Amino acid sequence: QSVLTQSPSASGTPGQRVTISCSGSSSNIGNNPVNWYQQFPGSAPKLLFYSSDQRPSGVPDRFSGSRSGTSASLAISGLQSEDEADYYCSAWDDSLNGWVFGGGTKLTVL
Amino acid sequence: EVQLLESGGGLVQPGGSLRLSCAASGFPLSSYAMSWVRQTPGKGLEWVSGIGGSGGHTYYADSVKGRFTISRDSSKNTLYLQMNSLRAEDTAVYYCAKGAHIVVMIAFFDYWGQGTLVTVSS
Repeated sequence: QSVLTQSPSASGTPGQRVTISCSGSSSNIGNNPVNWYQQFPGSAPKLLFYSSDQRPSGVPDRFSGSRSGTSASLAISGLQSEDEADYYCSAWDDSLNGWVFGGGTKLTVL
Repeated sequence: EVQLLESGGGLVQPGGSLRLSCAASGFPLSSYAMSWVRQTPGKGLEWVSGIGGSGGHTYYADSVKGRFTISRDSSKNTLYLQMNSLRAEDTAVYYCAKGAHIVVMIAFFDYWGQGTLVTVSS
């Protein structure tokens, strides 16, 4: 059971906008920035978003992040087949004194 | 170019020990927080341990506290994870991850190694 809650799966057709949500509590998302990681099968995770809404260089602006209260969201607009991957949210947890992750959302492009 | 290369994984019996290494290049290890993150085959990510840059404050997940020890050798620019009293539930791919800052609690992971598989089984 992950500390942060994500829907196990999401899907969309090419060109659509898809949103992946991440729910936490006051000890993690409610008090600390959220980071998102993208992972393709057989590969290591890769940083996709940091500090809730900051995009590392090289990440397309089709991706956007936000945080509100104890929840965060990752939105992908203009969905492309290469976006098919697993997406994980993460934040520092002040109570556990450690990093926590969501269980991951598998994005399928139909 | 930042590179992280893990090694030391393998098959170990329950109760056994293993030491993982992560050779870093392209940046000075002592200037950044570093963490170990594991992933059970087909499952999600779990943070295991982190060490701050400079003074090296260490942090552990409750699931490994008292059994695992994180450390680094700045002269070799290498991060380590000593794993003792291993259990079947420790079976996972272990990733070395570089923090973007010197302090563990704000250092999201901006670079990851390719991982090393640890299998705990009799």
